[in-house]
Amino acid sequence: KAGVTQTPRYLIKTRGQQVTLSCSPISGHRSVSWYQQTPGQGLQFLFEYFSETQRNKGNFPGRFSGRQFSNSRSEMNVSTLELGDSALYLCASSGGVSLAKNIQYFGAGTRLSVL
Amino acid sequence: ILNVEQSPQSLHVQEGDSTNFTCSFPSSNFYALHWYRWETAKSPEALFVMTLNGDEKKKGRISATLNTKEGYSYLYIKGSQPEDSATYLCAFRVREGGSEKLVFGKGTKLTVNP
Repeated sequence: KAGVTQTPRYLIKTRGQQVTLSCSPISGHRSVSWYQQTPGQGLQFLFEYFSETQRNKGNFPGRFSGRQFSNSRSEMNVSTLELGDSALYLCASSGGVSLAKNIQYFGAGTRLSVL
Repeated sequence: ILNVEQSPQSLHVQEGDSTNFTCSFPSSNFYALHWYRWETAKSPEALFVMTLNGDEKKKGRISATLNTKEGYSYLYIKGSQPEDSATYLCAFRVREGGSEKLVFGKGTKLTVNP
C-alpha cells in the first residue's frame, strides 16, 4: 500500500506570493490533516478535511486554506506569504472516523522557504 | 491554550541502556493520547494511541503507560539501540471552539551512542 505522498518536497517563494501544496493520502483514507512545524515549535495543527469537508480547524489566519477532492487528495494554499510562513508542512491521513482515536500516517513533508 | 509538555528535551544514552521520558497533559476531559517517533529525514511514525486510564501498550522494546487522572504518560525503551535515535512526540486530543485537534509536544530527542 503506498504511503502518504506530498508534493513538492521543497519550495522557495518570495513574500507576498501564494503557494499550493498537495497531499495524496493512503488509499481508502478519508481524513487528511495538515500541520506546520517551525524551529523550536511542536507540530501545529492547521486543519482537517474529511470527505471533502473541513471538519476541524486550528488557530491559523485565513491566509491558510485548504480543500479536499472526491478522491481524498488534499491541497493547502497559503496566500500573501510572510517570512514567518517558512516551515515544514506535513500532512497526515487517517483511516478511521475519529481524528483523535486513529493513527495518523504522515507524509515526508514540504519544506517551504519564504525569502 | 492547552499545552502538552515533554521532558527531557533531549537525552543521550549508551547502547544497551534502558530509558524513559514523560509526556504531561491536562488531566481534565481526557480523550486520547498519541505517541510518534520521528527519525531525521523521515516521516513521523505512529507508536501508540492510548485512550484508557491505566493503559499499557508495547511494541517490541518500546512500551508506554498512561495515567489520565494525573495527566501523564511514560514512554520506555528497553535496551536502547542506535536505530532508536529519533525524536519522540506525544500528542493530546483537544476540543476548542467546536473543533477537535491533536496538540503535539515539542518532543524528546533521543540519541543512542554505540
